[in-house]
Amino acid sequence: NAGVTQTPKFRVLKTGQSMTLLCAQDMNHEYMYWYRQDPGMGLRLIHYSVGEGTTAKGEVPDGYNVSRLKKQNFLLGLESAAPSQTSVYFCASSSGVRRETQYFGPGTRLLVL
Amino acid sequence: AQSVAQPEDQVNVAEGNPLTVKCTYSVSGNPYLFWYVQYPNRGLQFLLKYITGDNLVKGSYGFEAEFNKSQTSFHLKKPSALVSDSALYFCAVRDDTGFQKLVFGTGTRLLVSP
Repeated sequence: NAGVTQTPKFRVLKTGQSMTLLCAQDMNHEYMYWYRQDPGMGLRLIHYSVGEGTTAKGEVPDGYNVSRLKKQNFLLGLESAAPSQTSVYFCASSSGVRRETQYFGPGTRLLVL
Repeated sequence: AQSVAQPEDQVNVAEGNPLTVKCTYSVSGNPYLFWYVQYPNRGLQFLLKYITGDNLVKGSYGFEAEFNKSQTSFHLKKPSALVSDSALYFCAVRDDTGFQKLVFGTGTRLLVSP
C-alpha cells in the first residue's frame, strides 16, 4: 500500500496562475482532508470530504476549490494564486469510527511569487 | 469552540533524559485529545489519543501522554529521549460541532541532542 500520495511535491507559481494539487489514497477511506501548514500557525483545515461527490468548507476555504469525483482522489484547486497561498499543503484521509486517526501524505510545497 | 495551546515553540533535551511536550486544552464537553508527530519533510503521523478512561495513555515509539482534567492539560512524555525523536509535535482536539474535525495546535519542535 502506498497510503496517501500527493502530486506534485513542489511547485512555483506566479500570482494569478492556477493549479491543481492531487491527493490519492489506496486505503478505501471515506474521509479526506486538505490542510495548509504555515510557520507558527500549525495545520489549518481548508476543505474536507465525507464521501465521493461531497465536499465541505473547513477553517480557511477562501481562494480554494475542491472536488472528489472518485473515492480515492481529492483535488485541491487554486484558481488565481496569491502570495498568501505560499504554504505547505497536506492531504489526509481517515475512516469509520476512528476517523480522528488521520493518515497524511508527504506534502506539497507551493511558492507563489 | 474547542482549542489547544502548545506554549513552547521548542523543547531541548539531551539524549537519555526524560522529555515533556506541553499541551493545554479548552473544550465545552468531554475532551478527545490527540498527539501527532511530523518528522522532517514528512506528513504527520498519529502517536496516541485520549478518549476516556485511564489518564495515562500509551502510544507509539515509547511515548505516553498524561491527561489532567483539573489542569486541562495533555502533556506528551517519554522516559528516555532519543536523537531520532527530534521532530515537530502537534497536539489536537476533536471539535464536537458539526463534522467533529480535528483542531491542531501550533506545534512544538523537539530537539534531542546527543
